[in-house]
Amino acid sequence: DARVTQTPRHKVTEMGQEVTMRCQPILGHNTVFWYRQTMMQGLELLAYFRNRAPLDDSGMPKDRFSAEMPDATLATLKIQPSEPRDSAVYFCASGLVRGPGGNEKLFFGSGTQLSVL
Amino acid sequence: GNSVTQMEGPVTLSEEAFLTINCTYTATGYPSLFWYVQYPGEGLQLLLKATKADDKGSNKGFEATYRKETTSFHLEKGSVQVSDSAVYFCALSEFSGGYNKLIFGAGTRLAVHP
Repeated sequence: DARVTQTPRHKVTEMGQEVTMRCQPILGHNTVFWYRQTMMQGLELLAYFRNRAPLDDSGMPKDRFSAEMPDATLATLKIQPSEPRDSAVYFCASGLVRGPGGNEKLFFGSGTQLSVL
Repeated sequence: GNSVTQMEGPVTLSEEAFLTINCTYTATGYPSLFWYVQYPGEGLQLLLKATKADDKGSNKGFEATYRKETTSFHLEKGSVQVSDSAVYFCALSEFSGGYNKLIFGAGTRLAVHP
């Protein structure tokens, strides 16, 4: 079965350290989403890529978060410097949209559980 | 802005009981509506969807009907199993900034015991 792969599954780090989360979308998909899940806020959209271009990153704190797609098989989400309030589960999802306004079915990875001490 | 409201959990049921998880939405226009399920330690999976009023989405014994008049998309199952224990998310698709983004509800945890 094709699946979205995220690494690492778990990450524990100290405040101030850089954190990089990786996502391999399903081959052939042209959209990638990054979501953050916390008990208090639920699922928040952080960033959206289509055909590797960042179309929306309005959900991300710009001063410390950055998201990139260096190639079609890799999406990264980086936090530098990390803070305790960044502790959450970060999900990557990919889909295939066939036209403007298309509604793709999203496939989620298993997430990266981040704890910042 | 658009939003989704779900009933608070946890919902605790015995096996073979009837399930309803309420979901209402606020939106301009007529969004597509979805139910996603998250099993422990996993990402979300699409359970079912409906794209227009009066559509019924169904999958694995679960059903939900798109009700425009009540702006609702309640999830139902006639007989739940222990394996249905998970968190269920209602979502709508909002077209904004040139693409469709999913707006999720807070999630409802379902626990089914034997």
